[in-house]
Parts: sequence; C-alpha cells; structure tokens
Amino acid sequence: GESVGLHLPTLSVQEGDNSIINCAYSNSASDYFIWYKQESGKGPQFIIDIRSNMDKRQGQRVTVLLNKTVKHLSLQIAATQPGDSAVYFCAEKAAGNKLTFGGGTRVLVKP
Amino acid sequence: DAGVIQSPRHEVTEMGQEVTLRCKPISGHDYLFWYRQTMMRGLELLIYFNNNVPIDDSGMPEDRFSAKMPNASFSTLKIQPSEPRDSAVYFCASSDKPGLNEKLFFGSGTQLSVL
Repeated sequence: GESVGLHLPTLSVQEGDNSIINCAYSNSASDYFIWYKQESGKGPQFIIDIRSNMDKRQGQRVTVLLNKTVKHLSLQIAATQPGDSAVYFCAEKAAGNKLTFGGGTRVLVKP
Repeated sequence: DAGVIQSPRHEVTEMGQEVTLRCKPISGHDYLFWYRQTMMRGLELLIYFNNNVPIDDSGMPEDRFSAKMPNASFSTLKIQPSEPRDSAVYFCASSDKPGLNEKLFFGSGTQLSVL
C-alpha cells in the first residue's frame, strides 16, 4: 500500500467478496500500528489498531494481521460493502507519539 | 462529543496573504496534531502538542509556518506569507494519553488553495 505519487494503488473488489489491503512498514522499532479509512472530503477515520506484542486482532468485519519478521501489516475486510469504498492508510508509531502514515490504497467496491 | 472541529472548511487566498487555520480538539485529549495532506506527499505530520506545549515541530516546512496552542481547547496553524505550494488539506487530530488510547481522531480538514 505505498504511494507512488499521484497514483494510489487501487484494489477493485466485488461486493460481498473479502478484501485484503497490504502495507509494508519501515521501522523495526515501531510498536503500534493502526489502520484508517478516508472517504472523499473527510478526515481519516479509525478502523482498528494492533500492538507489536500481537500478530492478529479482529474487529467488526475487519481483521488486522501483523508480521514483524517481514515488517508487513494487512487489513482484511469481510463481505465488502459499497460503503467500504475509500482510501485506506496504515500508520506506525515508534518512539514518541508520532504516527507515520503510508501512502494509502484506494478500494473500489463493484456492485 | 462533537469530535475534532476545524475551521474554516475551505480557504482560498492569494499568494503573500496570511492564512490562519483553527482547531478545537476533543475535550480531555492531551495531544494535538497538525497534518498536511497532498497527493504527492500523502499525510505529513507538521507539529504536535502535549498539554499545550509543542513537542515536535520537525515537520514544519519552514519559518513561514507557525502553530500555537494557547489553551487545551484551541490551536492555530498560521502561514505567513502563503505560497501556491502550500495548497493542501490541513488536518488537525487529537488523542488521549499514550498507552490508554493512542488512536488519533481527525477533524474534517481545511482545504487550502493559494492562488
């Protein structure tokens, strides 16, 4: 899910299917990770978070997986709905209280 | 709770003018953050405050940018003089104490256009 400037990676998903959004993070010292959803014209909205002492956490229709060995984070959305269409950002936090955001992945849900 | 409140929602100004963006964090949150979002650079942290004190301003682009937090319920981000390359969406966010509730709550942003 890294940005390539003007062109966000895009994931097209059929309504009802599961979505998997991937994110590679950079800092092996990061101990907290979070996923945000941003709809057009709005601020980022919290989805789910996970600490580095866990490798999986589930929420309502969403699951976050953390693989610290390869510094990889993923967000799984079950039974994707039209309302899930948005840009999804992962973010990591190391020392201090600064969240560093990835470039984002656009999810388009096809009816 | 009304969430993080930002104003104005949109700002159009001419190069050289002073711009002031405003933010009201969620009541009780100790941390306040200013982010800038552009297509080219994504979400960048400009500065953050803890208990009204600036902690890290390393993301502030240059001296034209300044931020203040005179009290726990109000912060401003000022650009003087503004330039076209400052055009972006500016977000304010707040959070509780680390270890308790670290997620950031974002406002709706200010869309700034400098002509």
